[in-house]
Amino acid sequence: GQNIDQPTEMTATEGAIVQINCTYQTSGFNGLFWYQQHAGEAPTFLSYNVLDGLEEKGRFSSFLSRSKGYSYLLLKELQMKDSASYLCAVMASRGNTPLVFGKGTRLSVIA
Amino acid sequence: DSGVTQTPKHLITATGQRVTLRCSPRSGDLSVYWYQQSLDQGLQFLIQYYNGEERAKGNILERFSAQQFPDLHSELNLSSLELGDSALYFCASSVEPSTDTQYFGPGTRLTVL
Repeated sequence: GQNIDQPTEMTATEGAIVQINCTYQTSGFNGLFWYQQHAGEAPTFLSYNVLDGLEEKGRFSSFLSRSKGYSYLLLKELQMKDSASYLCAVMASRGNTPLVFGKGTRLSVIA
Repeated sequence: DSGVTQTPKHLITATGQRVTLRCSPRSGDLSVYWYQQSLDQGLQFLIQYYNGEERAKGNILERFSAQQFPDLHSELNLSSLELGDSALYFCASSVEPSTDTQYFGPGTRLTVL
């Protein structure tokens, strides 16, 4: 079956660093995505990992370990506008769902 | 702005009614996906079309149907609406059907009273 786990909620302080973890079990693997979603708005693409290692893009970085079925999203120099849900999604190579989403991690950035 | 457009933005209707949601993909994208997101729920995949053909089907109810037209826009039809169908409905598009990043439209918020 397809299963993606990520923490439901996290809180961090403005200016700090936060790591949001994601573990997955899917039928095949064609890559892992992270999306940001503000309440009531569309998910917006943040990052894509298909090979093991760290991908850095400005204040955001994403890491993947395929052997461990594990990824994390690292947010540095947190800003209030980073308060949002962060969705981990796996592109499975088998099964009838092209992109399997986790339930999302709601991040609250406090002053 | 992702380049994916959806209409209408909001829709309020009554139980038992039928509605149609519309999506236009990004220019050049051939694949369209529909998702449902209920309050505090994750994104639930409904159905995917690629170049006019149904490509993959998720947990889409029999009361729901979709199609993709020759100009690549897509419509999601929801019939015999129930209170539980109230949700945000997102459309996403990608160039290729299985390996590309999906870009999401702004969504249609459906409220069934």
